[in-house]
Amino acid sequence: KQEVTQIPAALSVPEGENLVLNCSFTDSAIYNLQWFRQDPGKGLTSLLLIQSSQREQTSGRLNASLDKSSGRSTLYIAASQPGDSATYLCAVPSYNNNDMRFGAGTRLTVKP
Amino acid sequence: DVKVTQSSRYLVKRTGEKVFLECVQDMDHENMFWYRQDPGLGLRLIYFSYDVKMKEKGDIPEGYSVSREKKERFSLILESASTNQTSMYLCASSLQTGVAFFGQGTRLTVV
Repeated sequence: KQEVTQIPAALSVPEGENLVLNCSFTDSAIYNLQWFRQDPGKGLTSLLLIQSSQREQTSGRLNASLDKSSGRSTLYIAASQPGDSATYLCAVPSYNNNDMRFGAGTRLTVKP
Repeated sequence: DVKVTQSSRYLVKRTGEKVFLECVQDMDHENMFWYRQDPGLGLRLIYFSYDVKMKEKGDIPEGYSVSREKKERFSLILESASTNQTSMYLCASSLQTGVAFFGQGTRLTVV
């Protein structure tokens, strides 16, 4: 069964800092990896999806990288803003690539 | 705009009731999922479905069943609701190798 771990569990930074969130997974035979954002009491919003053949994806101030062989992904947020405060989750398919397994998330607080 | 719609945002049910949570997607996705989310435990997969009438157990299927009679609709059924099923329930859909989209969530309270 795919196991997904996210470090750190919580992070608090001042506005303007660049930061890195980490995701590791145990089974490297994946089709893709996805990063989500969740605001309190809400559903999940997809931020970036990296296919297994890709090494990184960028969207605005967000950059996600994927190292399949080592079972790791990072989400880089540049010039953080208070509006970035949320929980960030990564998800990868399990061995049969039909289901999705989530990490526990990193709760990010960006202070003005 | 793509959409996954869950039938209720908030639901209060009594212990022992049969509860239906409905999820509808308009993107013709093969895969649909039901998760529950609890503080400190993250998202845990209850059931998923990769085609009409097909279903697979996730990590915590006990006390739940599902139904997928049409491609766009995936229902989660609590056969006899219990207080330990109080939680946030999230539905999602995706193509096999594509982006997953989530509904807004249903916060279920069992009293």
